[in-house]
Amino acid sequence: GQNIDQPTEMTATEGAIVQINCTYQTSGFNGLFWYQQHAGEAPTFLSYNVLDGLEEKGRFSSFLSRSKGYSYLLLKELQMKDSASYLCAPMDSNYQLIWGAGTKLIIKP
Amino acid sequence: GAVVSQHPSWVICKSGTSVKIECRSLDFQATTMFWYRQFPKQSLMLMATSNEGSKATYEQGVEKDKFLINHASLTLSTLTVTSAHPEDSSFYICSARDLVTDNQPQHFGDGTRLSIL
Repeated sequence: GQNIDQPTEMTATEGAIVQINCTYQTSGFNGLFWYQQHAGEAPTFLSYNVLDGLEEKGRFSSFLSRSKGYSYLLLKELQMKDSASYLCAPMDSNYQLIWGAGTKLIIKP
Repeated sequence: GAVVSQHPSWVICKSGTSVKIECRSLDFQATTMFWYRQFPKQSLMLMATSNEGSKATYEQGVEKDKFLINHASLTLSTLTVTSAHPEDSSFYICSARDLVTDNQPQHFGDGTRLSIL
């Protein structure tokens, strides 16, 4: 079957760095997306990895290891507005995104 | 960047009413649009995949006669919740994928919060 595993909740301090891990199992693989979702709002696209390695985009970076079925999202210089849920969504062989429950990130001053 | 407009943002109506939600891709063409439902503190649940000019593909457990989907053009898909009941109250979100390549990210509308009294 298809499965996503992320921590349910994480807490970090403003200005610090946090890494959100994701392991996945899918039927085929066409890349992996990370989305941010604030409470009561729709998800917004953060990053996309299709090859192994690190993709950096400002304060956010995302890493992929296809052989391990593993990805992480790295957030640097945390700000209070980064408090949100972070969704790891691999794309299967039918180009469908597989959604897990996401990781709720709480930022404390 | 790609913009998806979803309307209305909020709907409050009586039980038995039918509600129509529109999803438009404003600056790109989308052969495929997706309709999701999300209950509080739960993950996104895909309801159906909508392809322009053809019938929608519904996920298991989603009643196609209750959730009518129309995708008449490359920029517009609609979801009609027919005879809505309180258990249909949820956050409905559409997303669209650019025509050009399948592995582009889905771009989401702002969602519609539906409350059935």
